[in-house]
Amino acid sequence: SQTIHQWPATLVQPVGSPLSLECTVEGTSNPNLYWYRQAAGRGLQLLFYSVGIGQISSEVPQNLSASRPQDRQFILSSKKLLLSDSGFYLCAWSSGKAFFGQGTRLTVV
Amino acid sequence: DQQVKQNSPSLSVQEGRISILNCDYTNSMFDYFLWYKKYPAEGPTFLISISSIKDKNEDGRFTVFLNKSAKHLSLHIVPSQPGDSAVYFCAARSEYGNKLVFGAGTILRVKS
Repeated sequence: SQTIHQWPATLVQPVGSPLSLECTVEGTSNPNLYWYRQAAGRGLQLLFYSVGIGQISSEVPQNLSASRPQDRQFILSSKKLLLSDSGFYLCAWSSGKAFFGQGTRLTVV
Repeated sequence: DQQVKQNSPSLSVQEGRISILNCDYTNSMFDYFLWYKKYPAEGPTFLISISSIKDKNEDGRFTVFLNKSAKHLSLHIVPSQPGDSAVYFCAARSEYGNKLVFGAGTILRVKS
């Protein structure tokens, strides 16, 4: 069966520090991969999606970037975090339906 | 540009009654619609879906209705239970199935 792992679960980072969130999927090949963000009291905003290794589509201009170095690995990064980057980040994979990881609560202080 | 809209931020229902959650979309290219349920500090979990070739899909207490001409779908939960209290997200698939667009969510509270 397919599983998705996302870590860390919580993260507190100072403004201006770098960020790296990792997501891996098991039990499937060539999945579509996604990064979403849920800001406090708001819906799920699609940040990036990827249909294959090295293929990244960005949905909104922002301070973040994504990379897919391997088929089942998706990384969300930032060189310098802003206060506005705080939120709940979710990785997902899809083959029609989307299946989500448990999320990372990022607080930028 | 919000392509998927859930105009009710919250809904409160008595246990045993029907919960109706609504969702509207603007993109006529959407061909597949999904509902997700989310508890705090967890990832959303898939609940039920419907293809654009159907107008109704039922799974136990959950039924999703699709009205393509109105670009509207709804989720019915009957009977509602306290454990159904969560945030419900409507989502639609576009771009040849590569992208899922979510609404802002509706907080459902089922009172016992």
